[in-house]
Amino acid sequence: DQQVKQNSPSLSVQEGRISILNCDYTNSMFDYFLWYKKYPAEGPTFLISISSIKDKNEDGRFTVFLNKSAKHLSLHIVPSQPGDSAVYFCAGGFQKLVFGTGTRLLVSP
Amino acid sequence: EPEVTQTPSHQVTQMGQEVILRCVPISNHLYFYWYRQILGQKVEFLVSFYNNEISEKSEIFDDQFSVERPDGSNFTLKIRSTKLEDSAMYFCASSELGRAGTDTQYFGPGTRLTVL
Repeated sequence: DQQVKQNSPSLSVQEGRISILNCDYTNSMFDYFLWYKKYPAEGPTFLISISSIKDKNEDGRFTVFLNKSAKHLSLHIVPSQPGDSAVYFCAGGFQKLVFGTGTRLLVSP
Repeated sequence: EPEVTQTPSHQVTQMGQEVILRCVPISNHLYFYWYRQILGQKVEFLVSFYNNEISEKSEIFDDQFSVERPDGSNFTLKIRSTKLEDSAMYFCASSELGRAGTDTQYFGPGTRLTVL
């Protein structure tokens, strides 16, 4: 039951360029989506969220876009920095969050 | 900045033993959660807890699992008789209001449980 999918297991980007991480979901009842960043052996760190009543939310270098008709969201990081290298998870739901499998981002200098 | 804390960071136990994982949620948060991540797999929801009651649980959260808020600050997950397949990272999370469409869950650093 893969309600949230991240189809790219990894992404490599050069420092200063844009990173785009994608996420698809199947459950149209989801009304809140979040992106988390995770380092090995640490807990998920909240990055940015979006409510289903919006199509864009921006916080500094991070922007999340939501396309409800396509059941798709994306996280844009610009400019990317080496410190952004981590695994990024999207999650959807209310209280019971459903996570994607994650995308490993590597930002090289 | 307030954060969720968890102890211990690593717990090793023998199969069949009971373990208690401890969490201190963010102080003004009212909703508490446990998730786990088996190595190489997704982060999976286990249980949510509000007002001293379980509000939702997954099919993973069977009779071997229980949660408790023993005092005003701690939130615990007990596994009564551990199995090999319980080996995972266990994450505690908390959120302020549990309000649909707005509520962000903040996660602790996790406890790595190893069952031998």
